[in-house]
Amino acid sequence: DIQMTQSPSSLSASVGDRVTITCRATQSTNNYLNWYQQKPGKAPKVLIYGASSLQSGVPSRFSGSGTGADFTLTISSLQPEDFATYFCQQTYSTPWTFGHGTKVEI
Amino acid sequence: QLQLQESGPGLVKPWETLSLTCTVSGYSISAGHYWGWIRQPPGKGLEWIGSKHHGGSAYNNPSLRSRVTISLDTSKNQFSLKLNSVTAADTATYYCARGDYRAASRVYDVWGQGTMVTVSS
Repeated sequence: DIQMTQSPSSLSASVGDRVTITCRATQSTNNYLNWYQQKPGKAPKVLIYGASSLQSGVPSRFSGSGTGADFTLTISSLQPEDFATYFCQQTYSTPWTFGHGTKVEI
Repeated sequence: QLQLQESGPGLVKPWETLSLTCTVSGYSISAGHYWGWIRQPPGKGLEWIGSKHHGGSAYNNPSLRSRVTISLDTSKNQFSLKLNSVTAADTATYYCARGDYRAASRVYDVWGQGTMVTVSS
């Protein structure tokens, strides 16, 4: 199985901050890498797919980068509605695995 | 507008079968895509359970071994999850989702709201 390690597991930030979350896979995922945002009591929502493609309707302050086994999610200017937990997911090989999540707090 | 809605018992006894249904509206499941289930134990991360393509191919998480069956019912525009021999470790919120293949990746782009299932006698 491909294991996904996210860092940090949590972070504190302020509105307007630039936030970076990293995700490292135990082997290349061939850029089959997605990022999801989850708010308490809600289903995850896709932000980025294919490592760097922005999902329709998602604000452009979210961006994804990386290749191979190392990926980054960046929020260029944190907004109040961005306080949530973020998960990466690889869908290159089964079982499709998720990172353990990064909680972004005020 | 595409919507997914999970339904099923909120309480299942140990060693019985957990059965959930996902009703899809606004899109025909026979038109394409794949359809999957993901779960999340209370306070924990996400675990992929499996997916099934409308064409018949299926992929399940080996960690759940042969306990999982995902089926599509095109006549009702629904798909279902059956998980046999459940234990307390299967207590979780279960999400159904639509999978898409785009930008040389696979992604769950539309999710149901989730349904909590507790395994307890």
